[in-house]
Order: sequence, then C-alpha cells, then structure tokens
Amino acid sequence: NAGVTQTPKFQVLKTGQSMTLQCAQDMNHNSMYWYRQDPGMGLRLIYYSASEGTTDKGEVPNGYNVSRLNKREFSLRLESAAPSQTSVYFCASNRAGTYNEQFFGPGTRLTVL
Amino acid sequence: GENVEQHPSTLSVQEGDSAVIKCTYSDSASNYFPWYKQELGKRPQLIIDIRSNVGEKKDQRIAVTLNKTAKHFSLHITETQPEDSAVYFCALGEIDAGNMLTFGGGTRLMVKP
Repeated sequence: NAGVTQTPKFQVLKTGQSMTLQCAQDMNHNSMYWYRQDPGMGLRLIYYSASEGTTDKGEVPNGYNVSRLNKREFSLRLESAAPSQTSVYFCASNRAGTYNEQFFGPGTRLTVL
Repeated sequence: GENVEQHPSTLSVQEGDSAVIKCTYSDSASNYFPWYKQELGKRPQLIIDIRSNVGEKKDQRIAVTLNKTAKHFSLHITETQPEDSAVYFCALGEIDAGNMLTFGGGTRLMVKP
C-alpha cells in the first residue's frame, strides 16, 4: 500500500496564479482532510470530507476550494494564490466511525511570490 | 471552534532525561486526545492516543496522562534518546461528532547527546 500520496512535492507560484493540489489514498478510508502547516501554528484544518460526496469547511477555508472526486481522491484548489498561502499542505485520511488514526501524506511545500 | 494550547513551544533535554509536554483545552465535550510526532521534513505520525474513559496510557518509553476535570493532558517521554528529537503535536476531538481533530501549536523537542 502506498498509503496517502500527494502531488506535487514542491511548487512555486506567482501571486494570482491558480493550482490544484492532488491527494489520493489506497486504504479505503471514508474521511479525508486538508491541513496547512505554518511555523509555530501547528496544523490548521482547511476543508474536510467526511465521506464521498460531502465536503465541509474547516478552520481556515478562505481562498480555497475542494473536490472529493471519488472515495480515493480529494483535491485542493487555489483559484488566485496569495503570499499568505505560502505554507506546507498536508492531506490526511482515516476510517469513519469511532476515532481512528489520521494518516498523513508527505506534504506539498508551496511558495507564493 | 475548540482551542488547545500546548506548552512549551521548545524543550531541550539531555539524553536520558525525561521530557513532559502539556496541553490544555476548554471544550469539556472533547473525549479523544492523540499525540503526533513529526520529524524534520516528514509527515506527522500518531505515537499514542487516549480516550476520556482512562486517565493514563503507556507504551514503552512514552505515556499520556489525562485530567478531564482540569482539562489538560500531557505527554511523558522517559529515557530520552537523540532520535526522539522532533516536533510533537497534541490534538483533540469529539467521538461521535465526526473525525475532525484540533491540533496544538507544537513543541520542538531537542535531545542533546
């Protein structure tokens, strides 16, 4: 099993450009999440998908959109990137039901100039 | 949303000493408390978790204690080793209210040989 995979690993954008971060999991998990990690601020939830076909806002959704393409894939889109979106982005997934470990992807380091 | 404060933000110990990291929270409905370890440049990984029906859980050199009355929980690492050097995040969530977690700001632990 590859677990949770993310592409790309690194990306540099100019202000105003758009891009989509891809995430896929092969563990048959129902729930998937997108976090951003900034120095000293831990992991903050951007959006999550409790199950295929549903998405909900997390703590910091402004400037982002998501798509739960199918059970395996959950993408994060920046329509018009801003320097404040410079961060490391992590995707995670876990099984539905009572609490289960969230498994994280390797992260995408995004720089917006 | 739920707020969780984590202290200290950095911790330096001598190899062989113990390390303690504490998190406090405000929402009494929280009943799931995991701890994640993130090595430099890597993804966060679960190291131990505790549910609110127990006060302490131990796994070899790591243990977590929970005081629900005082709304705080702590990670204890004994006989620290250089490979314990990493950033540690506490998190909390509410079983039966979704699988979402709220993370603390992280503690950078440095174990000096």
